[in-house]
Amino acid sequence: QSALTQPASVSGSPGQSITISCTGTSSDVGDYNYVSWYQQHPGKAPKLLIYDVSHRPSGVSNRFSGSKSGNTASLTISGLQAEDEADYYCSSYTSSGTLLFGGGTKLTVL
Amino acid sequence: EDRLLESGGGLVQPGGSLRLSCAASGFTFSSYAMSWVRQAPGKGLEWVSSISGSGVSTYYADSVKGRFTISRDNSRNTLYLHMNRLRADDRAVYYCAKSLPPASDYYNGMDVWGQGTTVTVSS
Repeated sequence: QSALTQPASVSGSPGQSITISCTGTSSDVGDYNYVSWYQQHPGKAPKLLIYDVSHRPSGVSNRFSGSKSGNTASLTISGLQAEDEADYYCSSYTSSGTLLFGGGTKLTVL
Repeated sequence: EDRLLESGGGLVQPGGSLRLSCAASGFTFSSYAMSWVRQAPGKGLEWVSSISGSGVSTYYADSVKGRFTISRDNSRNTLYLHMNRLRADDRAVYYCAKSLPPASDYYNGMDVWGQGTTVTVSS
């Protein structure tokens, strides 16, 4: 099964907002509200930012938000900060009973 | 504080076997599904396997089905990944991760991760 499709890279200036897309199919993103987003800094373990499409775990900044439309989920980061520079991954439950990750998006804060 | 600590990684020859362990602390281990996620050098995250809190239900990626076995010992608060018939493309950092509740669901987000253990498959 192919990975969910994410842009390889996005960039933005401090204070701006950016959105990272995550495109799947009707057998994963489109059919289940089990989309999660993770942030990973170089050499570190991933950190959960969003679960169940749009829910934030306690302790995660409200600058991070998630949404979904059809087969595409999105992560929006508002008020970009230098520390947001990292790799971001989406994941989704699939109709096969597996979990699928996106290929990852490198965020550069200019 | 919830913590996960992986161990057992190392260098193994193609076709060989390895057992990874993940020691959990700070939470009621049996109340949560657990997963293994790997990351090949310079690549993205790949889900490997998950297990329900009771250990009754297990799930695998097609790439490891029939070669890897996930298990847990709730009395020892430890998660395992038994890896057989290892291939060069199994080379990766292997992370264990705790899922959000309920104990039966492994797919609604992983909120605690270990630091990872490195597996290298080479002759």
